[in-house]
Amino acid sequence: GAVVSQHPSRVICKSGTSVKIECRSLDFQATTMFWYRQFPKKSLMLMATSNEGSKATYEQGVEKDKFLINHASLTLSTLTVTSAHPEDSSFYICSARVGGAGTGELFFGEGSRLTVL
Amino acid sequence: DQQVKQNSPSLSVQEGRISILNCDYTNSMFDYFLWYKKYPAEGPTFLISISSIKDKNEDGRFTVFLNKSAKHLSLHIVPSQPGDSAVYFCAATWGNTPLVFGKGTRLSVIA
Repeated sequence: GAVVSQHPSRVICKSGTSVKIECRSLDFQATTMFWYRQFPKKSLMLMATSNEGSKATYEQGVEKDKFLINHASLTLSTLTVTSAHPEDSSFYICSARVGGAGTGELFFGEGSRLTVL
Repeated sequence: DQQVKQNSPSLSVQEGRISILNCDYTNSMFDYFLWYKKYPAEGPTFLISISSIKDKNEDGRFTVFLNKSAKHLSLHIVPSQPGDSAVYFCAATWGNTPLVFGKGTRLSVIA
């Protein structure tokens, strides 16, 4: 099946620094990628929809200046957590849709656990 | 307002028995439903899906049932195996909208 890869899988950083997480579609081109955040014992919360070559669409309540998303190519989207704070510590997961509209099936990356000290 | 609800946060089942995970939704626009399985510190993996034009879809040990009038779907795993122990997320979508996930149900299959 389709493969989506995330890097790094774990990152620990100091408060105030910025962290970049990469999401790559390895065997298909993804015009749209999605970024999710998972809190402990919570659902996957959609943060933003990343569109290749255009600005990302952010969900209500997600700070676009805080979580910078760049989808520079059909196989790569990046999420940069700027000026990270301990409350940004979470599990971030990217996904890409295979197939046309309506199929719904998403393939997910392995996730990236961010810990901000 | 949660559009997709998984009211049981956890479920324990004996190995070899049937596991039934339930999911309810409120948005009548949803026309495609999916189940994902997630191990700790990993991204979710797709398990099985069903379109609203069907009421049942089967794939090996996994069967998803959809009751549109009740806005309810369920995932049946028969027989349950210890390797099935994971968190299961129900998700729904329509058109090209992003998936909406439930909070997940942690399944523990006891040997």
